[in-house]
Amino acid sequence: KNEVEQSPQNLTAQEGEFITINCSYSVGISALHWLQQHPGGGIVSLFMLSSGKKKHGRLIATINIQEKHSSLHITASHPRDSAVYICAVLSGGSNYKLTFGKGTLLTVNP
Amino acid sequence: DTAVSQTPKYLVTQMGNDKSIKCEQNLGHDTMYWYKQDSKKFLKIMFSYNNKELIINETVPNRFSPKSPDKAHLNLHINSLELGDSAVYFCASSPVGGRLETQYFGPGTRLLVL
Repeated sequence: KNEVEQSPQNLTAQEGEFITINCSYSVGISALHWLQQHPGGGIVSLFMLSSGKKKHGRLIATINIQEKHSSLHITASHPRDSAVYICAVLSGGSNYKLTFGKGTLLTVNP
Repeated sequence: DTAVSQTPKYLVTQMGNDKSIKCEQNLGHDTMYWYKQDSKKFLKIMFSYNNKELIINETVPNRFSPKSPDKAHLNLHINSLELGDSAVYFCASSPVGGRLETQYFGPGTRLLVL
């Protein structure tokens, strides 16, 4: 079982819908990253969280350290949001490690 | 003014060859990384380099070696290429390399081993 699990694996939505992507992890972490990979392959780092909530434009990321769970929300989704969204957790002691989820493929239809 | 750049963008080569992928960042960051994304799109960290010191080395074959001529560059050398090395390799950098850093990714290098 992967240390980082994302759900759903695939998500199709209509333009304007509210989107939620979930990430659960099984290890103690220092921080959690949300990444976006575009259809062309480029990767963008969206958020880095260690607690609470962060907002950037229509994107909101939350994390609950006690429940070992994070969510990425997209409000008023748009076709340009279509991408793979990847959760990654930073854990370990002095030699930290970054473990990635398998990603969620989001398709937003016009 | 690209922040993190990689060359080449595409690399097609024969099994057994030795190849290098270059990475440069102009952000003044202290830490650089190499990631491998396999055919199933699963991303895995390979190396992290901070001030010329290797601070992460996951279970990567020793055919892969990172080389950092200076703080702005982290090149990936691969010896005796195998079919299973075919993947997309991403370079990234972060300001300090502490635990709370956002990472900036390069565009990726698509390696195909025939």
